[in-house]
Amino acid sequence: EVVLTQSPATLSLSPGERATLSCRASQSVGTSLAWYQQKPGQAPRLLIYDASNRATGIPARFSGGGSGTDFTLTISSLESEDFAIYYCQQRANWPPTFGGGTKVEIK
Amino acid sequence: QVQLAQSGAEVKKPGASVKVSCKASGYTFSGYVMHWVRQAPEQGLEWMGWINAGNGDTKYSQNFQDRITITRDTSASTAYLDLNSLRSEDTAVYYCARSYDSKSYFEFWGQGTLVTVSS
Repeated sequence: EVVLTQSPATLSLSPGERATLSCRASQSVGTSLAWYQQKPGQAPRLLIYDASNRATGIPARFSGGGSGTDFTLTISSLESEDFAIYYCQQRANWPPTFGGGTKVEIK
Repeated sequence: QVQLAQSGAEVKKPGASVKVSCKASGYTFSGYVMHWVRQAPEQGLEWMGWINAGNGDTKYSQNFQDRITITRDTSASTAYLDLNSLRSEDTAVYYCARSYDSKSYFEFWGQGTLVTVSS
């Protein structure tokens, strides 16, 4: 199965700063990668699909990029509600797999 | 709007079985696929399996192959997850999640059901 490795495990930033999260796949997944946001006690929420497309209702400060094995999620200017855990997920190869997550915390 | 309402928390003893339900509303239930994903305490997300709500086809993760059954009741717009031979490592929040087809992303999620396995 495809292993997704996310880095860093924790990102400590202040509101207004730029966040860059990384997801690396153990083999190429093309652009078949999504990003989810999860807040404490809540279900994950789809942010980005097919590497770079924002899901419905997702603010423009969230952007995704990459292809093959290396992907990034960028939050251009952190808002208070963006402090959460972010997971990447691939659908190119069965079974669908998730990365281990990156926690974005307030510095 | 799309809503997935899951059944309440469960406490089970090792070796027992659990059945979690996921009632869908706001869309045509039989037109989509329902997945089950679990999350152990303070851990990441693990995909378990899916059911095509239209034709009932299923596919399961090999990690659960012998212990999992996913079913649906189209008249009730509800999907079900059955997990048997529970062990302490199965303690987790179990989520249902809808996708357009079996290979699509998880667009909508239920609120989660905590299953605790403890003697």
